[in-house]
Amino acid sequence: EVQLVESGGGLVQPGGSLRLSCVASEFTVSSNYMSWVRQAPGKGLECVSVIYTGDSTLYADSVRGRFTSSRDISKNTLYLQMNSLRPEDTAVYFCARDVGKQGASWGQGTLVTVSS
Amino acid sequence: EIVLTQSPATLSLSPGERATLSCRASQSVSSYLAWYQQKPGQAPRLLIYDASNRATGIPARFSGSGSGTDFTLTISSLEPEDFAVYYCQQGSIWLTFGGGTKVEIK
Repeated sequence: EVQLVESGGGLVQPGGSLRLSCVASEFTVSSNYMSWVRQAPGKGLECVSVIYTGDSTLYADSVRGRFTSSRDISKNTLYLQMNSLRPEDTAVYFCARDVGKQGASWGQGTLVTVSS
Repeated sequence: EIVLTQSPATLSLSPGERATLSCRASQSVSSYLAWYQQKPGQAPRLLIYDASNRATGIPARFSGSGSGTDFTLTISSLEPEDFAVYYCQQGSIWLTFGGGTKVEIK
């Protein structure tokens, strides 16, 4: 069964950094397009990054220059490095495979709280 | 950026009733439109992809239609487990989501 498990969330001060991980099972992260989607408390869904099979990566305007998505094929893991965090980055962060396509899968999410 | 507008924001219905949810795009997304269901504390669940195709394991009471800028998700007869928030999402340019429609028990 395809599975995505996120980790790395927690409480961080404004201006701090955090790295999220997403371990994939039963498929390889390099063979699908992978996304990070976040959801602020009580709010809707926002895609923050997409990494394609050719390794090109796109970011939302709200995080470009601060967040970096990457993947480690040997560990079958997707990462999201988040720097210069702001209170408005507080959200549950989901990793997902093939968002909006047949066979799409989502992790359970990890909560990031940016607060002093 | 393509903006998706969902209406209504809240739909109050009883079990057994028909639900019709709307999603309008600010420009054409062809058929690159998906629908998700989300319950509290859970990840979104894909219902419909490419505007009208049901995802694996999704009951036949869920159907999607539309193309271009106007799309509809229909739940033919609401079951108790269908009361949730529904999001549309386009993948034509970048990935954006609508603001959601909450289907609540009347």
